[in-house]
Amino acid sequence: DTEVTQTPKHLVMGMTNKKSLKCEQHMGHRAMYWYKQKAKKPPELMFVYSYEKLSINESVPSRFSPECPNSSLLNLHLHALQPEDSALYLCASSQDLGVPGELFFGEGSRLTVL
Amino acid sequence: AQSVTQLDSHVSVSEGTPVLLRCNYSSSYSPSLFWYVQHPNKGLQLLLKYTSAATLVKGINGFEAEFKKSETSFHLTKPSAHMSDAAEYFCVVSDRLRGNTPLVFGKGTRLSVIA
Repeated sequence: DTEVTQTPKHLVMGMTNKKSLKCEQHMGHRAMYWYKQKAKKPPELMFVYSYEKLSINESVPSRFSPECPNSSLLNLHLHALQPEDSALYLCASSQDLGVPGELFFGEGSRLTVL
Repeated sequence: AQSVTQLDSHVSVSEGTPVLLRCNYSSSYSPSLFWYVQHPNKGLQLLLKYTSAATLVKGINGFEAEFKKSETSFHLTKPSAHMSDAAEYFCVVSDRLRGNTPLVFGKGTRLSVIA
């Protein structure tokens, strides 16, 4: 069982909707990540939070808005998305941003934008 | 900048035969290297990692990889494939310019196992 929990597992939304993806970990990790993965492609980094502060933003469009309310939670707020934003969104965590260690991934939220 | 090249987009083996998934890396620094596996509609799971200790690294489910600096390679092997090994495999190198955490993924190799 994964120790990173993502909800919802599936989400269908229209281009005018506002929705949120949620991610939770209780491993005491201080770095959390959002990745986007299109079919048959590797994950693409979107955002990195370290100690609840945004550390890396890979020039993601503003219609994606991350939020880290506390060290265990990471949200991704979605607004005015486009059909090409349909993908698997993966959350991950690691012990620390500065230590070369493994990432723990959730099972993802599969997003379909109509 | 760090990068990884997975030399095969698809590998097909028969059950019980050896598996070899190839990865070459490019890094200006002493790299940390990882192999992750992704089963269909699932997240990624770490198979094994190299972080400058022993060059032969053993991972879960019978997989291992050898770090060869002279060849800039980190190939993944398993002596005998199982049906459950069918999945997508990603070779990953850490990006030390941005904090050491693995951020650079290869394009992936899809492993098929034939009964």
